[in-house]
Amino acid sequence: DAGVIQSPRHEVTEMGQEVTLRCKPISGHDYLFWYRQTMMRGLELLIYFNNNVPIDDSGMPEDRFSAKMPNASFSTLKIQPSEPRDSAVYFCASRRTGDSNQPQHFGDGTRLSIL
Amino acid sequence: GENVEQHPSTLSVQEGDSAVIKCTYSDSASNYFPWYKQELGKGPQLIIDIRSNVGEKKDQRIAVTLNKTAKHFSLHITETQPEDSAVYFCAARGSSNYKLTFGKGTLLTVNP
Repeated sequence: DAGVIQSPRHEVTEMGQEVTLRCKPISGHDYLFWYRQTMMRGLELLIYFNNNVPIDDSGMPEDRFSAKMPNASFSTLKIQPSEPRDSAVYFCASRRTGDSNQPQHFGDGTRLSIL
Repeated sequence: GENVEQHPSTLSVQEGDSAVIKCTYSDSASNYFPWYKQELGKGPQLIIDIRSNVGEKKDQRIAVTLNKTAKHFSLHITETQPEDSAVYFCAARGSSNYKLTFGKGTLLTVNP
């Protein structure tokens, strides 16, 4: 089975530009999570969806961040306008319902650099 | 909310030695504790997990122990190999059903 697929793998852009990160979860998984990883703060949960509906967005740092999941096979995380402090690796993960201890499966991340 | 502390932040061992990484959590209602391994340029990959009704679980060279009373759990890697070198994360699922809280990670280096 294909794993979680994220694109792009690397993004370098100027401060103030809009950035869109993309994620395709594993087929059949109905939970999708967006994380941000930095040296200082480690892995932080930004938002998660269940059946395409946002459930908890309390980790989204500010209004410049938004996430959507228009269908079961696609999600985006958008930053507008971007700032240098947004530089980080952003991960998407998915899992399926059933046994509530089903593991989360991570993609390989998008390394974002804001200049 | 849940808080997970992980120690040490770095660990260097000789090939063949054992490595132990320890985590503590704050939410006594937490009932699921996975461990992830992250290699350079990759996403975290699940290596082992343990439920709250089990005290120990083993899978070949890796094992995890859980002490619910003390609210801590540990990862044990025996007969370490250079390919075990990576960053290891512990996590706990607190009283919410699906949200994992991660420790800050341990960089393990296995020297040949």
